[in-house]
Amino acid sequence: DTGVSQNPRHKITKRGQNVTFRCDPISEHNRLYWYRQTLGQGPEFLTYFQNEAQLEKSRLLSDRFSAERPKGSFSTLEIQRTEQGDSAMYLCASSLSGGMGETQYFGPGTRLLVL
Amino acid sequence: AQTVTQSQPEMSVQEAETVTLSCTYDTSESDYYLFWYKQPPSRQMILVIRQEAYKQQNATENRFSVNFQKAAKSFSLKISDSQLGDAAMYFCAYRMYSGGGADGLTFGKGTHLIIQP
Repeated sequence: DTGVSQNPRHKITKRGQNVTFRCDPISEHNRLYWYRQTLGQGPEFLTYFQNEAQLEKSRLLSDRFSAERPKGSFSTLEIQRTEQGDSAMYLCASSLSGGMGETQYFGPGTRLLVL
Repeated sequence: AQTVTQSQPEMSVQEAETVTLSCTYDTSESDYYLFWYKQPPSRQMILVIRQEAYKQQNATENRFSVNFQKAAKSFSLKISDSQLGDAAMYFCAYRMYSGGGADGLTFGKGTHLIIQP
């Protein structure tokens, strides 16, 4: 049973560019979450999918952010027109509905640096 | 909105000793889950222990145990026989039990645990 994987692990971009991150959840998990973690802080919830449906979005998720989960498998998080304030670690987690107290299992994250 | 507070930015303990990390939370819900996650330097976050609010018995996982005080909204983590590998950021997290179990986690700011050899 492979864990949650995320690619790329690191991304450096210039302000104004678009970036896309990918998350592959644990294979049998139907729920997928995105979080953002800035230095010295705990992760903050961004959005959540159950299968392919995006069911919840935080107000932290501005219009420049979009997430998809086609076919209920992997997910992508795109940030358009990046800003320096977008620099953070972007974490993906997955869980199985009704299983293990809905425990979320995290990937290693994608660290974004916007210059 | 739910909030989670970890009042200890950093804790230090001698190897083989016991340490307790504090966590308090604020919620108006009666059913919820509480978690402790560990995040080693440059490594991914892993689950340490989980507690369901409807269970009065405190959860334990080997050297890790919690003291869950529902009325006080307190959820502390005790690490016994501390080992060098326990050094990490520890995050307390809350999730409402909404039936569908779909809500995202609310995290505290974390406690940096240092293990002194």
